[in-house]
Amino acid sequence: AQTVTQSQPEMSVQEAETVTLSCTYDTSENNYYLFWYKQPPSRQMILVIRQEAYKQQNATENRFSVNFQKAAKSFSLKISDSQLGDTAMYFCAFVMDSNYQLIWGAGTKLIIKP
Amino acid sequence: NAGVTQTPKFQVLKTGQSMTLQCAQDMNHEYMSWYRQDPGMGLRLIHYSVGAGITDQGEVPNGYNVSRSTTEDFPLRLLSAAPSQTSVYFCASSRGGTSGTGAFGYTFGSGTRLTVV
Repeated sequence: AQTVTQSQPEMSVQEAETVTLSCTYDTSENNYYLFWYKQPPSRQMILVIRQEAYKQQNATENRFSVNFQKAAKSFSLKISDSQLGDTAMYFCAFVMDSNYQLIWGAGTKLIIKP
Repeated sequence: NAGVTQTPKFQVLKTGQSMTLQCAQDMNHEYMSWYRQDPGMGLRLIHYSVGAGITDQGEVPNGYNVSRSTTEDFPLRLLSAAPSQTSVYFCASSRGGTSGTGAFGYTFGSGTRLTVV
């Protein structure tokens, strides 16, 4: 069965610091897509970053970058120069190629302190 | 603004009542789905559709019913509400259909917080 594990239920850092959220997953498939979603208190699910498993290059989106280790089935999210607006729940998820069901982790609550 | 619209945003039901959560998208997406989000857990798939007239069950379909008569709308019906259905419900859509959705990503609605007493 496919699973996603986020081992850090909650993290807290000072504004402007760098923080890394961990995510591991389990699948026997070779082609899939990985996602990090942000859910602020407004409840809206916002896509932060996406990675295609067949690409070795790590995805980046401004202050957000990932460390994708396919062999280790690891997909961590690094947030540089953290801002108060980054305070949110962060979810790691993946979907297999030619499939529809997103498999989700339980989330990490990230708090950015002023 | 284009996107996924969910109504209502909040709802309180009594046990045994039925209701329909509405979901509409104006992006001509083939794929639509319903998830529920419970505390301490990731989202779980209830039902999904890869096009008008096509629906299928997800991980937790019991107690819910769906239909897809148009590309734009994908309502979720609670047949006889139970306290275990207290949750936040999200509708999500994607441009991908039968070819899969991962390549295109997903657009989420703002959610419906449902409480069953």
